Amino acid sequence: AQKITQTQPGMFVQEKEAVTLDCTYDTSDPSYGLFWYKQPSSGEMIFLIYQGSYDQQNATEGRYSLNFQKARKSANLVISASQLGDSAMYFCAMREAFTGANSKLTFGKGITLSVRP
Amino acid sequence: DAGVTQSPTHLIKTRGQHVTLRCSPISGHKSVSWYQQVLGQGPQFIFQYYEKEERGRGNFPDRFSARQFPNYSSELNVNALLLGDSALYLCASSPGTGPRGETQYFGPGTRLLVL
Repeated sequence: AQKITQTQPGMFVQEKEAVTLDCTYDTSDPSYGLFWYKQPSSGEMIFLIYQGSYDQQNATEGRYSLNFQKARKSANLVISASQLGDSAMYFCAMREAFTGANSKLTFGKGITLSVRP
Repeated sequence: DAGVTQSPTHLIKTRGQHVTLRCSPISGHKSVSWYQQVLGQGPQFIFQYYEKEERGRGNFPDRFSARQFPNYSSELNVNALLLGDSALYLCASSPGTGPRGETQYFGPGTRLLVL
């Protein structure tokens, strides 16, 4: 069964506008972490934002925020004020079994974001 | 501070050969993980090492092996290469302990092409 689902095949956004990238997840573990990564065409995976399952507030990191809806098992990434450099693949990932020494991430298939000038 | 480094950046091999990929983690990080990313897909977990011990292994054949050295750097070895092993191999490091100790930071990857 797919644990991370990213169904949007590709997204387009106008420069300076906000965009939401969807992610749903499936786990029976009460303790887990959710991550978003950005992968430009160069290939490097860039960490954007993290949300722990017990975090009371939605995570924010600069222009990135995570809309965490635990009951719906969704963790959507919101990018505000899009920039041309935001054009990339975006991956949602989950880490179950919340122990510091266990770092296995399960990734979704990714979403392509294109920012139009 | 230097990020995660990987070498080589690109590699071309033929079927049946073996390959060794190398990774140096961020200074102070004790955990290293390896992922395989086939074109058009998300990364797939291969191995995780923490304090030089294997802590996790993904669904990959025994042709794949890895180790972590006392300085926390790591090697991924793949024997008897197949065409399907062509992929981007990503290494990630994480502190392993402390607040957000599980957050993984990735290197630039090694692009392996098997002909």
